[in-house]
Amino acid sequence: AQTVTQSQPEMSVQEAETVTLSCTYDTSENNYYLFWYKQPPSRQMILVIRQEAYKQQNATENRFSVNFQKAAKSFSLKISDSQLGDTAMYFCAFPNNEKLTFGTGTRLTIIP
Amino acid sequence: GAVVSQHPSRVICKSGTSVKIECRSLDFQATTMFWYRQFPKKSLMLMATSNEGSKATYEQGVEKDKFLINHASLTLSTLTVTSAHPEDSSFYICSATGVSSYEQYFGPGTRLTVT
Repeated sequence: AQTVTQSQPEMSVQEAETVTLSCTYDTSENNYYLFWYKQPPSRQMILVIRQEAYKQQNATENRFSVNFQKAAKSFSLKISDSQLGDTAMYFCAFPNNEKLTFGTGTRLTIIP
Repeated sequence: GAVVSQHPSRVICKSGTSVKIECRSLDFQATTMFWYRQFPKKSLMLMATSNEGSKATYEQGVEKDKFLINHASLTLSTLTVTSAHPEDSSFYICSATGVSSYEQYFGPGTRLTVT
């Protein structure tokens, strides 16, 4: 069974700094997707970024980028130039057939 | 595009009553809809998966007679919490997938409080 592990329950950084959230997963599949979701205080789940396992290039969306290490089954999220609006819970997610397996989440606080 | 709505956003009901939560895909046809439950400061826990016109598939430990799911059309799924008890108080989130089934689009959630 697929598992997703986020080892950092809470993190905080100063505004404008860079922060990296870690995620590891376990799977026997070769082709798959990986996702990072953000859940701000409004509790609306927002897709931040997705990575396709067959692509060697790390995905990037503006200030958000991933470090995807397929062999190590690691999928970390880097947030550059962090902003107050980045304060949220962040979940790493792995699709299992049509279902999503979520990590336990990292609560990120951006300090003014 | 790919907007999912939920109604109501908040509901308070008395113990023993039933409450229905609606999940709609507004601008796409949802081949599959999912219902999650989220406890405070915890991750999302999948309750069930539903496909239009067929019975929902419940995750282990979820009471199907208590959490009734109906997926009557390609744009609407409902979750009915029957004979609600205070321990059913939680945040319920739905999501939907369309043609590109790898991505789920989430509704804004419903906060249920049972008194």
